[in-house]
Amino acid sequence: AQKVTQAQTEISVVEKEDVTLDCVYETRDTTYYLFWYKQPPSGELVFLIRRNSFDEQNEISGRYSWNFQKSTSSFNFTITASQVVDSAVYFCALRASNPGYALNFGKGTSLLVTP
Amino acid sequence: EPEVTQTPSHQVTQMGQEVILRCVPISNHLYFYWYRQILGQKVEFLVSFYNNEISEKSEIFDDQFSVERPDGSNFTLKIRSTKLEDSAMYFCASNQGDTQYFGPGTRLTVL
Repeated sequence: AQKVTQAQTEISVVEKEDVTLDCVYETRDTTYYLFWYKQPPSGELVFLIRRNSFDEQNEISGRYSWNFQKSTSSFNFTITASQVVDSAVYFCALRASNPGYALNFGKGTSLLVTP
Repeated sequence: EPEVTQTPSHQVTQMGQEVILRCVPISNHLYFYWYRQILGQKVEFLVSFYNNEISEKSEIFDDQFSVERPDGSNFTLKIRSTKLEDSAMYFCASNQGDTQYFGPGTRLTVL
């Protein structure tokens, strides 16, 4: 069985602070994929990143960075110098290797960035 | 950039009525999905569809639900007799490779 835990329900930061969103997963699969999606107040789900289980290299994209550690089954997401536009719910998700399998989402972390 | 589209954006219906939610996946994608999100909760998988048949479904996807790909572009979710607890945002998604792209969602309100 697969499980994704996002222990932080809500986080509130002041603009320009750095913030890390935690994601811990459980799976028995040796090959799997991890994802982060952003859900802004408008409600859509926006894909941010995909990482497969064989690629533990950390990734940086502008102010966003992701830290994947298989040893601790974690895939954490850091926003550097947060902005008001980063306010959203962020979901971590896990999927088995086959591209046709369902995404298993965590409960999400609601991030509020205030000016 | 191609995107998944969904109609309507908001549907209000009376309990017991049938509703059909429509989706147009990205044109060269092969896998199609429906997910739902009850207000304030996580996104839950309903069903996946590949090669004109259901490939996987969750416990939520009971006999009240059905999916169809009536032509080469549309992908529909039908709820036969809606219940109050069906009120949620319904997302369609599609992929060809490893990333599922989501539509903007249909907010279903059952009164």
